[in-house]
Amino acid sequence: EPEVTQTPSHQVTQMGQEVILRCVPISNHLYFYWYRQILGQKVEFLVSFYNNEISEKSEIFDDQFSVERPDGSNFTLKIRSTKLEDSAMYFCASTLEGRPGGGELFFGEGSRLTVL
Amino acid sequence: DAKTTQPNSMESNEEEPVHLPCNHSTISGTDYIHWYRQLPSQGPEYVIHGLTSNVNNRMASLAIAEDRKSSTLILHRATLRDAAVYYCILRRTGTASKLTFGTGTRLQVTL
Repeated sequence: EPEVTQTPSHQVTQMGQEVILRCVPISNHLYFYWYRQILGQKVEFLVSFYNNEISEKSEIFDDQFSVERPDGSNFTLKIRSTKLEDSAMYFCASTLEGRPGGGELFFGEGSRLTVL
Repeated sequence: DAKTTQPNSMESNEEEPVHLPCNHSTISGTDYIHWYRQLPSQGPEYVIHGLTSNVNNRMASLAIAEDRKSSTLILHRATLRDAAVYYCILRRTGTASKLTFGTGTRLQVTL
């Protein structure tokens, strides 16, 4: 069964460092998302991406964050200068869309980011 | 986004049916009702979705009230593997709109 894959599974970084989280969505999907979940808290929407541009972003997704689909297969989330509060599990998701009510989102296993 | 209300937690015995309720009294005509679940240490996983009619798939059934102000996710025979947080989410149709997760219902399944 096709799946969304994310790397790395865990990254530890120092505050102020740049981090890139990578995702390979399901190959024929058209819509891509990043979510995050701080330990013990809700899953929070960060950004959605379609046709090589951001469709929607949340208040969390400030100038420190950026997304890119550099080569038609990878979908990356970059955090320019990490803060302690960026420590969380980051989930990538993708969907083909097109079904009434929206297609199901397929989520990856997540990348755990720890900022020290 | 229209809001949903779910119990914080529920318990079930293995092999028994589980009915997970969700209230969404401010649902609009263009909102679909989606259910996702999150197993421990995993990403969310799609379960089922519907608009007005009851829906069945291999994982679960979704029963939607006639006025659409509430719905119930039904797991016909709970297994230990069904222990997860279950999220009821309203999603606007017509766009690749985001899912807005609440706190969900933590389902505990015991032998």
